[in-house]
Amino acid sequence: DGGITQSPKYLFRKEGQNVTLSCEQNLNHDAMYWYRQDPGQGLRLIYYSQIVNDFQKGDIAEGYSVSREKKESFPLTVTSAQKNPTAFYLCASSMPGRGLAFFGQGTRLTVV
Amino acid sequence: KQEVTQIPAALSVPEGENLVLNCSFTDSAIYNLQWFRQDPGKGLTSLLLIQSSQREQTSGRLNASLDKSSGRSTLYIAASQPGDSATYLCALRGNDYKLSFGAGTTVTVRA
Repeated sequence: DGGITQSPKYLFRKEGQNVTLSCEQNLNHDAMYWYRQDPGQGLRLIYYSQIVNDFQKGDIAEGYSVSREKKESFPLTVTSAQKNPTAFYLCASSMPGRGLAFFGQGTRLTVV
Repeated sequence: KQEVTQIPAALSVPEGENLVLNCSFTDSAIYNLQWFRQDPGKGLTSLLLIQSSQREQTSGRLNASLDKSSGRSTLYIAASQPGDSATYLCALRGNDYKLSFGAGTTVTVRA
């Protein structure tokens, strides 16, 4: 089955800890994205990557880091520098050509 | 920076009524525009994709139009059903691969 897999579905983090969210796709898509969604709000872009070993900051990159060592994988690290990390995180990828974007089911991160 | 606005923020209609959802954007240099549906606590499901060179796309009861000159897109949902209740989001992809979203319109269809 082709698709985007985000794990874990729920994640709890203590204040001051770094945590890494996983995003894997087997769609052979070049571009991948990370978004943050807060209750009742739209999606805000954190980072995106057009190709392997390259990525760009989105609108709210502070306190986050990413890597793109493989085409299939685009992990997001939420660092202790992120002041308010509790949110719903969504990963997406888009196909070459038409640019149709697909989303994973999300990871809900809660700081305790 | 691309700014995407969706009005209204929320909409409640009786079953059977047609839905009209609006999306406006500031930068007309887009690669494509995509409409998504999001159910509570879930990821996004793609509904329609309109390429920059196209004016509209249709899928079943859904029709989306694109007018780059005025910076607008409209999603029409015919004969609404309670199962159409969800949040609808529009997203613009620029030529730099950046994908920007509006805040969404939350639709409630009353049985």
